[in-house]
Amino acid sequence: NAGVTQTPKFQVLKTGQSMTLQCAQDMNHEYMSWYRQDPGMGLRLIHYSVGAGITDQGEVPNGYNVSRSTTEDFPLRLLSAAPSQTSVYFCASSFGGPGSNQPQHFGDGTRLSIL
Amino acid sequence: AQKITQTQPGMFVQEKEAVTLDCTYDTSDPSYGLFWYKQPSSGEMIFLIYQGSYDQQNATEGRYSLNFQKARKSANLVISASQLGDSAMYFCAMSPNSGNTPLVFGKGTRLSVIA
Repeated sequence: NAGVTQTPKFQVLKTGQSMTLQCAQDMNHEYMSWYRQDPGMGLRLIHYSVGAGITDQGEVPNGYNVSRSTTEDFPLRLLSAAPSQTSVYFCASSFGGPGSNQPQHFGDGTRLSIL
Repeated sequence: AQKITQTQPGMFVQEKEAVTLDCTYDTSDPSYGLFWYKQPSSGEMIFLIYQGSYDQQNATEGRYSLNFQKARKSANLVISASQLGDSAMYFCAMSPNSGNTPLVFGKGTRLSVIA
């Protein structure tokens, strides 16, 4: 049972480069989300999706794009990497939206460094 | 807007003792859910316990219990009989039950269990 799978686990980029962080879940969850975790800041929501074809912005969406073409996959794209985007990125999914009592299942995270 | 406050950046507890991690929240929604997550040094996010705002009883899951005081808007996590493996970051989170308002996390409390 894979759960939520994030790739890569580690990545180093140069300023200005673009890349896609992959997230896949095999639990048929409708709700998926991306967070970033910075020291002393907790987790902050970047983008989320309530189902295939539907996405919305979270607290810190600037510099990131998402799409949800299938229920299983929710990739996060960095358009032009900046040092301020150095962070640990978590993908999460759940059966219901956050208003339900269903906990979010998290991937193991992607540690991203922008030089 | 929702807000979670965890006022204890770090806590120490002796092994086998109980410890309470504080969480207060602010919301204007009448119905909401509260979650606690554990993040060990390995980095993954582990769901611990859930409390619904209209639940009649405080939630319990094994050694974890939630001291929910609705009038005070507090949802403190109590860990009984602490173990060395409980050393981790602990995050409180909440979301309203209406719509798809995303989960909001506190900044976390680092718990260290001492032998």
